[in-house]
Amino acid sequence: DSGVTQTPKHLITATGQRVTLRCSPRSGDLSVYWYQQSLDQGLQFLIQYYNGEERAKGNILERFSAQQFPDLHSELNLSSLELGDSALYFCASSVEGERGEQFFGPGTRLTVL
Amino acid sequence: GDSVTQMEGPVTLSEEAFLTINCTYTATGYPSLFWYVQYPGEGLQLLLKATKADDKGSNKGFEATYRKETTSFHLEKGSVQVSDSAVYFCALSTGGFKTIFGAGTRLFVKA
Repeated sequence: DSGVTQTPKHLITATGQRVTLRCSPRSGDLSVYWYQQSLDQGLQFLIQYYNGEERAKGNILERFSAQQFPDLHSELNLSSLELGDSALYFCASSVEGERGEQFFGPGTRLTVL
Repeated sequence: GDSVTQMEGPVTLSEEAFLTINCTYTATGYPSLFWYVQYPGEGLQLLLKATKADDKGSNKGFEATYRKETTSFHLEKGSVQVSDSAVYFCALSTGGFKTIFGAGTRLFVKA
């Protein structure tokens, strides 16, 4: 158990819909990262927040957005969903000063029908 | 830009065979290097790491040595088990909070 929690575990929805994925980082971790893992197993970095502020952006679509709240939990919002958005979405957190080491949650499996 | 290249899978081995998964990197500065493992149905977890040249990271029988001269961080294990079947990701971080992951290598170990 990494200490990072994600909800929901599974999500099934239809094209055109909007969903919100939630992540709670490990206690004390200020950084939160979001990744998308497609069926061919590649891990794509989406976005990173540090203590409520956006720190880095990766291959995140304009239909997707995220935020980190004062209690440090984070939400990833996916809108106008397409079939190709079906994937595993992982959240990870890290401690300032721990160079690069990240702790991953169990993921949310999104299926768009 | 910084990047990580690791050998394509899947890699299929018999139990007790020797494992090598190659990983090379390109980075400015002096990165920290990592191997993460993803077991079926789970998130990634850190397997081992090395923070400077010639460091050897080790855990659960796996080892990797940070080779600056060849920009490599190959993962090895002397005798694999069925329970080692997973996807292995090589990664680097050059400081700050961004980590760059390789594409992942799937390992199947047959009994």
